[in-house]
Amino acid sequence: AQSVSQHNHHVILSEAASLELGCNYSYGGTVNLFWYVQYPGQHLQLLLKYFSGDPLVKGIKGFEAEFIKSKFSFNLRKPSVQWSDTAEYFCAVNAKEYGNKLVFGAGTILRVKS
Amino acid sequence: DGGITQSPKYLFRKEGQNVTLSCEQNLNHDAMYWYRQDPGQGLRLIYYSQIVNDFQKGDIAEGYSVSREKKESFPLTVTSAQKNPTAFYLCASSSILGEQYFGPGTRLTVT
Repeated sequence: AQSVSQHNHHVILSEAASLELGCNYSYGGTVNLFWYVQYPGQHLQLLLKYFSGDPLVKGIKGFEAEFIKSKFSFNLRKPSVQWSDTAEYFCAVNAKEYGNKLVFGAGTILRVKS
Repeated sequence: DGGITQSPKYLFRKEGQNVTLSCEQNLNHDAMYWYRQDPGQGLRLIYYSQIVNDFQKGDIAEGYSVSREKKESFPLTVTSAQKNPTAFYLCASSSILGEQYFGPGTRLTVT
């Protein structure tokens, strides 16, 4: 069975600090990878996705993530966070053999201090 | 305005009562999903449907039931058999490519 691990449940940063949120998955086959974000009181929305091609993917609001197949990782990064990035971030994975089912990590709550 | 609607936003029920949560999409997606979100546990899949009149159990289907009579609609019933029903419930839909779009959620409180 697939599983997804997010290393930190809570992260607190000051504005302008750099962000890296870890995500590892356990599945050896072909995967699609996603980062979703849930801002306070808002819908879960897609930040970025990786299906194939360039392993460095860029998403909305200055976020990017790098797929490292050998490490089964898909870490999320942002060079300089803003107070408005305060949210919960979820890594998710699906594999072709499992259809469109997504497996989510437990989430990381990011709080950015102004 | 395309998207996924869930109603109501907040729902309160007494223990022992069944309750049905609504999910409608106008994105013309074939697949629809129900998740439960609990603090510190991420989203866990309850049921999913890849086509009308067909659905499969997810990881935590016990105590829940669904139907998929129309492409646009995928209602979830939380039955009295669900031991810990108080949670935030999210509905999603997707195209063949697997990118899922989420509704605003329903917060169910059972007392």
